Amino acid sequence: QKEVEQDPGPLSVPEGAIVSLNCTYSNSAFQYFMWYRQYSRKGPELLMYTYSSGNKEDGRFTAQVDKSSKYISLFIRDSQPSDSATYLCAMSANTDKLIFGTGTRLQVFP
Amino acid sequence: DTEVTQTPKHLVMGMTNKKSLKCEQHMGHRAMYWYKQKAKKPPELMFVYSYEKLSINESVPSRFSPECPNSSLLNLHLHALQPEDSALYLCASSQARDWTEAFFGQGTRLTVV
Repeated sequence: QKEVEQDPGPLSVPEGAIVSLNCTYSNSAFQYFMWYRQYSRKGPELLMYTYSSGNKEDGRFTAQVDKSSKYISLFIRDSQPSDSATYLCAMSANTDKLIFGTGTRLQVFP
Repeated sequence: DTEVTQTPKHLVMGMTNKKSLKCEQHMGHRAMYWYKQKAKKPPELMFVYSYEKLSINESVPSRFSPECPNSSLLNLHLHALQPEDSALYLCASSQARDWTEAFFGQGTRLTVV
């Protein structure tokens, strides 16, 4: 079993839809949770960072962490074609290692 | 400023060449990282520097040699690479050894011919 599981997609949605991206993990020691957006042939861009459990909102993006279920989510409201990218979840257990999910490819069509 | 700058953006090198990748950040971060990313795969950790000292080497072949001259700079020296080493090489930095917000550069796309 991989430490972090993420559905690779692709996920295709119409413009304006609410998008839900998810990751599950097996290591209960993970405390730091991040979501990155990566456009083709570019470096990952940090979207959201959450420490421990709870919700965090930033504009159209909401990150949720449920440590009891070992499940994290990223919601994108009012999705735009410019949101089309690969979304990577990443997490760490207070060490130097950041463990990535495989990434979900999202396509938002006009 | 949350910028991590990598140069060059693209690099083509032969298997007998020696080249270097450079990474720079001015956020005062004391942890810097090299990752390798193949197409449609997540980034894979190669090296971690913490307070300018190498703290993690993920069993990377010796043809990759990292260097951290100071707290703002990170280099990756390349020698005798193989075609399978062609990938996007990403540099990242964070505030300390603990993973707080980690910022990535745009990467160097390396092609080994």
